[in-house]
Amino acid sequence: SQTIHQWPATLVQPVGSPLSLECTVEGTSNPNLYWYRQAAGRGLQLLFYSVGIGQISSEVPQNLSASRPQDRQFILSSKKLLLSDSGFYLCAWSVSWAIYGYTFGSGTRLTVV
Amino acid sequence: QQPVQSPQAVILREGEDAVINCSSSKALYSVHWYRQKHGEAPVFLMILLKGGEQKGHEKISASFNEKKQQSSLYLTASQLSYSGTYFCGTEFQAGNNRKLIWGLGTSLAVNP
Repeated sequence: SQTIHQWPATLVQPVGSPLSLECTVEGTSNPNLYWYRQAAGRGLQLLFYSVGIGQISSEVPQNLSASRPQDRQFILSSKKLLLSDSGFYLCAWSVSWAIYGYTFGSGTRLTVV
Repeated sequence: QQPVQSPQAVILREGEDAVINCSSSKALYSVHWYRQKHGEAPVFLMILLKGGEQKGHEKISASFNEKKQQSSLYLTASQLSYSGTYFCGTEFQAGNNRKLIWGLGTSLAVNP
């Protein structure tokens, strides 16, 4: 069966520090991968998605970037965090979200101080 | 563009029923429903496709009114495990792509 792993679970980082969140998927090949952010009172916001190695699409221009160095690995990064980057970050995968929906990872609670 | 969910919050006693609504101003291809427990990731419940209706997942079902661009999630004989925040996601055409945009959620608390 397919599983998705995301770490760390919680993170407290100072403003201006870098960020790296990692997500890996097991049990499937060539998954479509997604990064979502859930900020308080704003619902889920799609940040990036990837349909293959090295292929990244950005939905919202911002202080973050994403990379997919391997088929089942998706990384969310920032060179300098802002206070507004705080939130709950979720990695997800899907064969086809329009048909099967998403399977989300357990999330990373990021607090920028 | 963001769908509107109602009510924002509901409190039930175990065994009671609830209805959560999701309304959009855009023509929709589908409506997605997820449940999220506090501090956890959202869990997929079901997708309602244009022209159809999908049931499943315990005693939870849903409908999709294409003319009104509305979906309703029905929770019958609620159980304590139903507590959480329910999100709808609405799929619509945006240029050459289809996009999914989410509501702000409906908080459901089921008490003994």
